[in-house]
Amino acid sequence: KNEVEQSPQNLTAQEGEFITINCSYSVGISALHWLQQHPGGGIVSLFMLSSGKKKHGRLIATINIQEKHSSLHITASHPRDSAVYICAVDSYNTDKLIFGTGTRLQVFP
Amino acid sequence: NAGVTQTPKFQVLKTGQSMTLQCAQDMNHNSMYWYRQDPGMGLRLIYYSASEGTTDKGEVPNGYNVSRLNKREFSLRLESAAPSQTSVYFCASSDQGMSYNSPLHFGNGTRLTVT
Repeated sequence: KNEVEQSPQNLTAQEGEFITINCSYSVGISALHWLQQHPGGGIVSLFMLSSGKKKHGRLIATINIQEKHSSLHITASHPRDSAVYICAVDSYNTDKLIFGTGTRLQVFP
Repeated sequence: NAGVTQTPKFQVLKTGQSMTLQCAQDMNHNSMYWYRQDPGMGLRLIYYSASEGTTDKGEVPNGYNVSRLNKREFSLRLESAAPSQTSVYFCASSDQGMSYNSPLHFGNGTRLTVT
């Protein structure tokens, strides 16, 4: 079993829909990162969080340390949100960053 | 502000050829990393440099070497390319050391094919 699991693997939505992407992990962490990989391949850091909730524009990231779970929400989705969203955890057990395999999101007009 | 600049964007090599992937950052970051991304797998760390003058192996270092030339530049060298090294390579940097408690900044990637 992978130490970082994301669901779903693929997601399609209509423009305007509310999107949720989930990340579950099995290791102790000091921080969790959400990244966005554009269709052209570039990777951008969206959030880094260790507790609670963070919001940036239409994006909201939450984390529940006790349940070892994080969610990334996109409100009022738009075709430009189409990308691969990657969860990564900073494991203090192994002192390394462990990446999920990503969730591919496609938003159609 | 260019951020992390990675070259080349694409490269095709024959088995046994060598090449160097270049990476430079202009954010005065201490830590730099090289990752590879393969289909169906998460990014995997090849080598990292926590600070100028230091380099360490990551999860998948075999077949690679690195040089932290100065604080800005961190290069990755394939001495004798193998088909198993066909992948997309990303350079990244962060302000703090290997605690990962600061955001990562990525280059745009290098798509390498070894035939």
